[in-house]
Amino acid sequence: DGGITQSPKYLFRKEGQNVTLSCEQNLNHDAMYWYRQDPGQGLRLIYYSQIVNDFQKGDIAEGYSVSREKKESFPLTVTSAQKNPTAFYLCASNDYSNTGELFFGEGSRLTVL
Amino acid sequence: AQSVAQPEDQVNVAEGNPLTVKCTYSVSGNPYLFWYVQYPNRGLQFLLKYITGDNLVKGSYGFEAEFNKSQTSFHLKKPSALVSDSALYFCAVRSVGDTGRRALTFGSGTRLQVQP
Repeated sequence: DGGITQSPKYLFRKEGQNVTLSCEQNLNHDAMYWYRQDPGQGLRLIYYSQIVNDFQKGDIAEGYSVSREKKESFPLTVTSAQKNPTAFYLCASNDYSNTGELFFGEGSRLTVL
Repeated sequence: AQSVAQPEDQVNVAEGNPLTVKCTYSVSGNPYLFWYVQYPNRGLQFLLKYITGDNLVKGSYGFEAEFNKSQTSFHLKKPSALVSDSALYFCAVRSVGDTGRRALTFGSGTRLQVQP
């Protein structure tokens, strides 16, 4: 089955630690995205990538980093510089058609202890 | 800049009654509009989209949405609600002219509660 796989589903971290969230897709999509979801705020764009080895900051990129070494993979690192990292993180992808809807993974819930 | 407003945090409806979840948008030029549904601790599932053409768009699970350009609205509707429709619903927009970022801008979400 084609889709987007995010791991881990739940992650706990101590303050000051970096963590990396995995996102893998087998939909052969060119573009991939990371969103952050907080209660009552909807989804906010962290980073996006339209092609391998290229990525761009979204609206709330501070404290996060990404890489896009393979078409299928777009991992997100939450660094210790992120002031309030506890959130639900969603990875998405779409194809290169201009009207393509986003396909989402099941999300990763990060809790900072 | 583009934005989406979902004015109701929660909508309550009795099973079997019609439901409406409201969405208004702001975008430069013409919009692409989307509705998604989210169940607890899950990702977002695509329901329907407006690209062009007929203002009434039909989607998954019996949902439909009406595009109104003059009111910049894209309300989600269903003729007869089911308890299983209870979930969080998101409206999203992207400008037709955005051939760069192509990311969607989401509203804050509306929680739909269908009572038996």
